[in-house]
Amino acid sequence: AQSVSQHNHHVILSEAASLELGCNYSYGGTVNLFWYVQYPGQHLQLLLKYFSGDPLVKGIKGFEAEFIKSKFSFNLRKPSVQWSDTAEYFCAVNGGNKLTFGTGTQLKVEL
Amino acid sequence: EAEVAQSPRYKITEKSQAVAFWCDPISGHATLYWYRQILGQGPELLVQFQDESVVDDSQLPKDRFSAERLKGVDSTLKIQPAELGDSAMYLCASSPRTSGTDTQYFGPGTRLTVL
Repeated sequence: AQSVSQHNHHVILSEAASLELGCNYSYGGTVNLFWYVQYPGQHLQLLLKYFSGDPLVKGIKGFEAEFIKSKFSFNLRKPSVQWSDTAEYFCAVNGGNKLTFGTGTQLKVEL
Repeated sequence: EAEVAQSPRYKITEKSQAVAFWCDPISGHATLYWYRQILGQGPELLVQFQDESVVDDSQLPKDRFSAERLKGVDSTLKIQPAELGDSAMYLCASSPRTSGTDTQYFGPGTRLTVL
């Protein structure tokens, strides 16, 4: 069975600070990796995804993530966060056509 | 931009009552998913449809939960009888195909409170 671990449950940053959210997964086969975001009052939406090719993928709003196969990791990064990035972020892995989510990281960006 | 529609947005019910949630996926999307999200956790797949057929319902508590997608378009998830532990957000999502690389598009969810 596949599983996803997000180690940071709550993160508080000041505007312009750099962000890195950790995500590790467990699965024995080929995986496709996703980061979803849920802004306050909105539904889950895709931030970025990786399924092949360049392990550094870029998403919307300046976010990027790097797939490191040897570490089973897919960490999310942003060089400079904005107040509008306040949201809950979910890492997800799709192995065998089933999407499994992590528990999420609540990010609060303070002015 | 096309969106997944869900109704109702909120539902309060008493223990042992029956509840039903409705989902209308993005037009043309063959695959439809129902997830349950308990507060503080990520969404967990309950059931997955490919057109009108169930692909995966291994996590669906079949003694009380049922789901259907009769014409391969919209879908209904039912709980009968509801229990206190069923209080959660119920999310519907759709994707063009059943493929590991496809993005799943989520609806706004139905927040269920069981008293």
